[in-house]
Amino acid sequence: KAGVTQTPRYLIKTRGQQVTLSCSPISGHRSVSWYQQTPGQGLQFLFEYFSETQRNKGNFPGRFSGRQFSNSRSEMNVSTLELGDSALYLCASSLGPLVTDTQYFGPGTRLTVL
Amino acid sequence: AQSVTQLDSQVPVFEEAPVELRCNYSSSVSVYLFWYVQYPNQGLQLLLKYLSGSTLVKGINGFEAEFNKSQTSFHLRKPSVHISDTAEYFCAVSEARGATNKLIFGTGTLLAIQP
Repeated sequence: KAGVTQTPRYLIKTRGQQVTLSCSPISGHRSVSWYQQTPGQGLQFLFEYFSETQRNKGNFPGRFSGRQFSNSRSEMNVSTLELGDSALYLCASSLGPLVTDTQYFGPGTRLTVL
Repeated sequence: AQSVTQLDSQVPVFEEAPVELRCNYSSSVSVYLFWYVQYPNQGLQLLLKYLSGSTLVKGINGFEAEFNKSQTSFHLRKPSVHISDTAEYFCAVSEARGATNKLIFGTGTLLAIQP
């Protein structure tokens, strides 16, 4: 069974631009979560989706948004990019929305903002 | 709210030696506890998790962890490390029986294994 796929793997953008990252969960998984990983702040929770509904959102500005499609694929969007948005963005999928459901992480998208 | 503290940012150890990576948590409610490993240029992989029951939890790759409620700790141990265990290890906590799968991560411990 294929793992969690994230595209693109690497991205370079300039300040002020916007970016869309994609996550394809493991087949059959309906829950997707997003995390931002930086050297300074570590791993921070961004959003959680289940059955196309956002169930939880982390403490990030409104520039960060996301959505989930009917096939469980998810996208996150960051508008008006800032230098501090440079990070590894990780997506995790699980069968269901409970924390007892094991979450499987993708390899991440490394975003560099210049 | 929950929080996780991993006091050691880096732990050097010789190959075949035992290792313990420390994790302490803070929470006003019951929690579930997790250890994840991140190899270079990869995502996170679940090593083990404590949900309930026996406080000694065994995971993959020979790792185990012990939940100690009185000391609010969940330390990770391995009796003999291999060079392939070189990676960053993250402790995480979540609210037990909460309506979310949100994880709160510690800052990570880099396990540096010397031959």
